[in-house]
Formats: sequence, structure tokens, C-alpha cells
Amino acid sequence: KAGVTQTPRYLIKTRGQQVTLSCSPISGHRSVSWYQQTPGQGLQFLFEYFSETQRNKGNFPGRFSGRQFSNSRSEMNVSTLELGDSALYLCASSWGRTVGAYEQYFGPGTRLTVT
Amino acid sequence: TQLLEQSPQFLSIQEGENLTVYCNSSSVFSSLQWYRQEPGEGPVLLVTVVTGGEVKKLKRLTFQFGDARKDSSLHITAAQTGDTGLYLCAGSIAGKSTFGDGTTLTVKP
Repeated sequence: KAGVTQTPRYLIKTRGQQVTLSCSPISGHRSVSWYQQTPGQGLQFLFEYFSETQRNKGNFPGRFSGRQFSNSRSEMNVSTLELGDSALYLCASSWGRTVGAYEQYFGPGTRLTVT
Repeated sequence: TQLLEQSPQFLSIQEGENLTVYCNSSSVFSSLQWYRQEPGEGPVLLVTVVTGGEVKKLKRLTFQFGDARKDSSLHITAAQTGDTGLYLCAGSIAGKSTFGDGTTLTVKP
């Protein structure tokens, strides 16, 4: 079974621009969660989508948004990029039967650098 | 306030040694997961513990869930260089996933 895929793997943007990251979950998984990982803050939960609906949201500003499509693929958008948005963005998929973390399978991440 | 505290933060040992890392919280979790992450990659799920007092073994790795379901430990026997990585524990509170800051383990040959 194919794992979670994320595109692109690496991205360089400048301040003020916006970016869209993509995630394809494991086949059959209906829940997709997004995380931001930085050396100083560790893994921070952004949001979770289940059946095209945002089921949970972390404490991030409104510049961070996401959506999920009917095939469970998900996209995350960050508008008006700031230097502090430089991070590894991770997507994780799960069956979704239980709200929140249960057993999550992570993609390799997208390394975003904002200059 | 970090909901999940992991200790130690860094651990450097020689190949063949044993080690234990800890994941503690004041909150009760319905389940806890342990992940290992290598640089530039996403975390890989190692195990899920659900029942208080549960012990799970995965080859040289032994995971324990505290009786009160507030803490967990990971014990590695005879560590190998391939065990090097960031070990993360994770749980869910009110539907939101929370991760500890992790233990960075370096196993030297």
C-alpha cells in the first residue's frame, strides 16, 4: 500500500507571498492532519480534516488554512508568508474513526523556507 | 504549558548500552503513540498503547503505559546505531493531537 505523499518536498518563497502544499493520504484513510515542525516549537498541530470538513484546529493565525477534497486529498495554504513560517510541514493520515490522534501515518514533509 | 513532557531531551550512548526515555503528563490519555523521526523525514509510528499498565514489545524496544494512563516509557535494549533518531510521544486531548518535544537519541559505534 502506498504511503502518504506530499508535494512539493522543498519550497523557497519570499515574505508576503502565499504557498499551497499538497497531501495525498493512504488509500482508505479519511482523516488528514497537518503539523508544523520547527526546532524551537517542536511539532505543532495545525488542523485536521475528515470527510471534507475541518474537525479540529490548532492555535495558528487565520493565514493558515486548509481544505480536503472528496478523494481525501488535502491542501494547506499559507498566505502573506512571514520569516517565522519557515518550517517542515507534515501531513498525517489515519482512518479517522477516532477524533484526534490515534494512529497516524506521516508523509515525508514539505520543507518551506521563507526569505 | 507543554501537555506532554519528554525526558531526557538529549541522550548520547554507545552501541550495546540500554536506555529508557520517558513521556509524562498531568492529563489522562485514552491512548499514547510513540514515533521515531529521522532528519528530513516524517515521524514513523512505532506503537500505540491503550490500556493502563500495558506493556508492548517490538524487538529490542519495550513500551509501557502507566497504570493511570498519564505517562509512558520506552526502553531500548542493546542499542544499535540504527536506533539513532528523534523519539516522540503523542496523545489526544479534546480531539486535538499533542506531541512531546521529543528525545534526540544518538547511538555511537
